[in-house]
Amino acid sequence: DTGVSQDPRHKITKRGQNVTFRCDPISEHNRLYWYRQTLGQGPEFLTYFQNEAQLEKSRLLSDRFSAERPKGSFSTLEIQRTEQGDSAMYLCASSLDLLGRGLGQYFGPGTRLTVT
Amino acid sequence: GQQLNQSPQSMFIQEGEDVSMNCTSSSIFNTWLWYKQEPGEGPVLLIALYKAGELTSNGRLTAQFGITRKDSFLNISASIPSDVGIYFCAGQLRRSSGSARQLTFGSGTQLTVLP
Repeated sequence: DTGVSQDPRHKITKRGQNVTFRCDPISEHNRLYWYRQTLGQGPEFLTYFQNEAQLEKSRLLSDRFSAERPKGSFSTLEIQRTEQGDSAMYLCASSLDLLGRGLGQYFGPGTRLTVT
Repeated sequence: GQQLNQSPQSMFIQEGEDVSMNCTSSSIFNTWLWYKQEPGEGPVLLIALYKAGELTSNGRLTAQFGITRKDSFLNISASIPSDVGIYFCAGQLRRSSGSARQLTFGSGTQLTVLP
């Protein structure tokens, strides 16, 4: 399967714990995006990378959130000191963007986080 | 920030009927995308539109990029049970350098197809 993959698919954690999610984009894609989706809503942008550089962060991305893409391939999203309000589906997407010609963002299956 | 209004919020239709849903924005986009999402899965890209006025088809799906660049619609013809899901519109604004920015999503249209 050459699509975007995410791990784990589900995570249950207690409030105050740290969690880390991984995303593996489509291999030839140079851009990687993180979104968060709560029930009944569309995905909301968190941050994105062009290769290994983190180019933009949303106001939704509080200090407790950090994302990395160390070698320009896979990415990790870490949430420190989780709160119940962090419960959501965390989606990763990737795209190939060359000279401004994007071909759409392709999403992974998501990681469902439940904070108890 | 930018807001996308997607309507209707939900639709119940008979198998075989055609469906239409639309999305409007308070500001312009230069790319419109339509996605379908099923429970527990990520959104799947259905159609991408890159030019105002563009009309694009993908099988039974047809989408148009509005001339004002503030709206788009999606039509599904001859609906079948597997069309069930949530359909999202998403707009994207490119920087003046040409590089793409993040997507802004509508709140979705829940489609139910009755046999």
